[in-house]
Amino acid sequence: GDSVTQMEGPVTLSEEAFLTINCTYTATGYPSLFWYVQYPGEGLQLLLKATKADDKGSNKGFEATYRKETTSFHLEKGSVQVSDSAVYFCALRPGDDKIIFGKGTRLHILP
Amino acid sequence: ETGVTQSPTHLIKTRGQQVTLRCSSQSGHNTVSWYQQALGQGPQFIFQYYREEENGRGNFPPRFSGLQFPNYSSELNVNALELDDSALYLCASSRRTGEAETQYFGPGTRLLVL
Repeated sequence: GDSVTQMEGPVTLSEEAFLTINCTYTATGYPSLFWYVQYPGEGLQLLLKATKADDKGSNKGFEATYRKETTSFHLEKGSVQVSDSAVYFCALRPGDDKIIFGKGTRLHILP
Repeated sequence: ETGVTQSPTHLIKTRGQQVTLRCSSQSGHNTVSWYQQALGQGPQFIFQYYREEENGRGNFPPRFSGLQFPNYSSELNVNALELDDSALYLCASSRRTGEAETQYFGPGTRLLVL
């Protein structure tokens, strides 16, 4: 069945470091891909999305490109801030109903 | 803020009891999805409601049931609670457009079953 695999955390970086969180997926057809972020004590917020191959989603300095050939959607940011500390979820949507999430990657940014 | 609200924010129940969680969707949205997020895990899809009908279900037993009302708000009911039902329950609303519409999540209800 459809699934998402993302790198396990926690990931700890210093402020202004470069961030990559790896995400690969397994799906039939052409799913939409998402990154969601969950700050402590809060629900999920959509960070960015891409709906077809080679699309690049971007928001708040974060980027991810839909790579069908490698079935990947890695999240990147050039210079992280302490306020980026959160749990990041890679997800796919195969059709009209469910979103399938990865297990999440906890990110700690040190000042 | 997504405009999706959930109540209550926290709840404690004992094994065997029943619980009802509520969700108000964002204005203009006609679809509500429910997810269960166990501690340290990603959310798992429970089911989705569109125009008051169940429109897709994940791998959850029948004791998980739901309703959607004419104003598109929704309830999640869980009967015969088990310890493993302890989790954060998230609802998400969206407007069905025939394309990959975005689901907007509420803050969740944290349920503890003792």
